[in-house]
Amino acid sequence: GQNIDQPTEMTATEGAIVQINCTYQTSGFNGLFWYQQHAGEAPTFLSYNVLDGLEEKGRFSSFLSRSKGYSYLLLKELQMKDSASYLCAVRDYGRGSTLGRLYFGRGTQLTVWP
Amino acid sequence: DARVTQTPRHKVTEMGQEVTMRCQPILGHNTVFWYRQTMMQGLELLAYFRNRAPLDDSGMPKDRFSAEMPDATLATLKIQPSEPRDSAVYFCASAAMGAQYSNQPQHFGDGTRLSIL
Repeated sequence: GQNIDQPTEMTATEGAIVQINCTYQTSGFNGLFWYQQHAGEAPTFLSYNVLDGLEEKGRFSSFLSRSKGYSYLLLKELQMKDSASYLCAVRDYGRGSTLGRLYFGRGTQLTVWP
Repeated sequence: DARVTQTPRHKVTEMGQEVTMRCQPILGHNTVFWYRQTMMQGLELLAYFRNRAPLDDSGMPKDRFSAEMPDATLATLKIQPSEPRDSAVYFCASAAMGAQYSNQPQHFGDGTRLSIL
């Protein structure tokens, strides 16, 4: 199956910058999504990458290298409200996958301290 | 903002009982997903539908789980009989999918928190 790896936990302080890495293996890569999930709530969409490079959206940026099977989510000027789980998800159209589904990592629990 | 609506938000019941969870996808979305989330397993895909037709239910225990889309505005997930190991948060998500929607994300409902005693 698809292997999506991301760190289990990270901590940082308010105002800092944090980078959450995600590595994946697919046979037919067709896009990578980052979601944010606060405790007890639904995952919400943050960013999408399908081509190599950086996508910037306010304080959040996401980077993709398809040749390396690697992405990261960069959070700048951290705030307490950024404490959440961050899920990396890959869309794979290759052999063994079903068209259109996402494969999710286990999530990285980020704690932001004052 | 358009939202995916799930009912009930919480359900506590005894093992052996039937559980039905409902989902109203965002109007115009042609693909509906059912996920289960636990601390141990993370987010797992159970089944999904495109244009109301089931595409993949390989993640779902067939003996006790069933998923249907009676119409474009309603998806259901049933567990019969329920067991304590089914306790989890069940999320429904919907998306507009097709070549012209390649960058469109899945939108999640608030989930049903299920506890089987």
